[in-house]
Amino acid sequence: KQEVTQIPAALSVPEGENLVLNCSFTDSAIYNLQWFRQDPGKGLTSLLLIQSSQREQTSGRLNASLDKSSGRSTLYIAASQPGDSATYLCAVRDFGNEKLTFGTGTRLTIIP
Amino acid sequence: DTGVSQDPRHKITKRGQNVTFRCDPISEHNRLYWYRQTLGQGPEFLTYFQNEAQLEKSRLLSDRFSAERPKGSFSTLEIQRTEQGDSAMYLCASSLAGVSGANVLTFGAGSRLTVL
Repeated sequence: KQEVTQIPAALSVPEGENLVLNCSFTDSAIYNLQWFRQDPGKGLTSLLLIQSSQREQTSGRLNASLDKSSGRSTLYIAASQPGDSATYLCAVRDFGNEKLTFGTGTRLTIIP
Repeated sequence: DTGVSQDPRHKITKRGQNVTFRCDPISEHNRLYWYRQTLGQGPEFLTYFQNEAQLEKSRLLSDRFSAERPKGSFSTLEIQRTEQGDSAMYLCASSLAGVSGANVLTFGAGSRLTVL
């Protein structure tokens, strides 16, 4: 059974700093991995999707990497801004399976 | 198209009552998913449809839960005889499954259920 872990559960950094969020998964036979952002009381916004054959994806100040063999992904946020404050969730989709398995998220606070 | 719409946004009910949530997906999307999220946890998969066919149901979806997607358009999720443990955010997502295989999900804002 796939399990996804995100550590730390919460992170506070000063505005302008670069930061890395971590995600690990137990079964490396994944189809893809997605990073989502969730604002309090709201739904999820997809940030980046990495296919199993890819090593990284970039969008603006965000860069996500995938190391399937070690079961790890990172989300790098450059030059953090207060508007980046949210909970960040990673989710994996296994081969032959339509469902996403989510981690419990990292609650990020950017301090102005 | 304004994205995935869910209604109601918040429902408060007494234990034992029935509740129904509605999801309107992005119009051209052929897949529709329901997830449940409790406080401090990531979303958990409940079920998904391709067009009008319900293709997978999680074991989390007890006999009190039923989902439909008539005509492959909007979907409803009904919970009968609600229990306090059903209190959660119910998230709907839709996607267009195509040859690229990426199948990026677009989520709605969710329907929050509180069972007293």
